[in-house]
Amino acid sequence: QVQLVESGGGLVKPGGSLRLSCAASGFTFSDYYMSWIRQAPGKGLEWVSYISSSSSYTNYADSVKGRFTISRDNAKNSLYLQMNSLRAEDTAVYYCARARASGWSTFGSWGQGTLVTVSS
Amino acid sequence: QSALTQPASVSGSPGQSITISCTGTSSDVGGYNYVSWYQQHPGKAPKLMIYDVSNRPSGVSNRFSGSKSGNTASLTISGLQAEDEADYYCSSYTSSGKGVFGGGTKLTVL
Repeated sequence: QVQLVESGGGLVKPGGSLRLSCAASGFTFSDYYMSWIRQAPGKGLEWVSYISSSSSYTNYADSVKGRFTISRDNAKNSLYLQMNSLRAEDTAVYYCARARASGWSTFGSWGQGTLVTVSS
Repeated sequence: QSALTQPASVSGSPGQSITISCTGTSSDVGGYNYVSWYQQHPGKAPKLMIYDVSNRPSGVSNRFSGSKSGNTASLTISGLQAEDEADYYCSSYTSSGKGVFGGGTKLTVL
């Protein structure tokens, strides 16, 4: 049973930082690409970033490039998103998602999400 | 990367069929067979319904089907049921090596 549990969300001031975590279980974490996807309140889904199984490859949405950093620790079955220079428009529920074997851009399993609120 | 274009809403009666379109460009939908569809009920995480244009994951009803023509992908739901009422999102791989979602479509079962 694939399980993804996000944590680390909360209220942060504009310009501040936050680190999200995603604990994975029920599958061989080191075999899969992983992604972060966010959803602003009442809005649609937005892909944020992905990381390859061995951390060799990453990519970011233009809206977060240079501010967010994705990483993983395969020994701890964990995915991370370091978010710096946060803006009000970064307010969203952040989901971690596991890719299917067919390609990183298909999100086969999702966590329940963690809410990040950027406000003064 | 610009979001893929979906209708804001569609509706249908129980038992009917509906189709949701997802229009992109040759740099995303039209260029790759990496289009997927997600169902999201209020307050819940999205669920994968279709991947690689037309493939269904294990456990997804065969009432859901996907297709693509040119730069437009489509999700068809046949034999509409009340529990199909949800938001639906398409997504695609892009030539820049990034991902992109559609704006979402709210399906109402009348």
